[in-house]
Amino acid sequence: EDQVTQSPEALRLQEGESSSLNCSYTVSGLRGLFWYRQDPGKGPEFLFTLYSAGEEKEKERLKATLTKKESFLHITAPKPEDSATYLCAVHLSHSNSGYALNFGKGTSLLVTP
Amino acid sequence: DTAVSQTPKYLVTQMGNDKSIKCEQNLGHDTMYWYKQDSKKFLKIMFSYNNKELIINETVPNRFSPKSPDKAHLNLHINSLELGDSAVYFCASSQDLRGTEAFFGQGTRLTVV
Repeated sequence: EDQVTQSPEALRLQEGESSSLNCSYTVSGLRGLFWYRQDPGKGPEFLFTLYSAGEEKEKERLKATLTKKESFLHITAPKPEDSATYLCAVHLSHSNSGYALNFGKGTSLLVTP
Repeated sequence: DTAVSQTPKYLVTQMGNDKSIKCEQNLGHDTMYWYKQDSKKFLKIMFSYNNKELIINETVPNRFSPKSPDKAHLNLHINSLELGDSAVYFCASSQDLRGTEAFFGQGTRLTVV
């Protein structure tokens, strides 16, 4: 059962063309929703953590928002250097009080000049 | 000064061989993880350790054995490698078991031929 679903799988934007990426989740008792950026050949890089519905966080051209069922990553006036795969993840509880990130499949964003 | 470093970055080996991947973090974190990213770029948790103690052990073949000599190091040993083990393996660390933001290494691309 998918607990984190991201859409679209791929998105192509022109430089300056704002858009949003979606992450819907089905876990109960959310302990945190995370956004990461992954460049080709590199590990995921942390962007944001959101904990409760209504929370928003911003970093440069990126703004993440959270509702009770989904999160959006808004990209305002993107530049080619924003091209990357954006990963959404939720915290899942495992045995022995351990938590790990449960990732969606990502949205591959390409911003063209 | 890399926060989470893995070696090697690339590993090509024949079926049936045994290989190890090493990971070190200099962030002073208590918790470390191994994630596997398959050919479809899907990231999944394999193991986590907290202060050298195994916390999470997902459904992973017994051929995979993590070892944590101290809390700054988490190695992954794989016996009798199979074609299906080909993937990118990421090490990550977080401050503690609550697993707030996780920092990822650059990944080890394992190719089994």
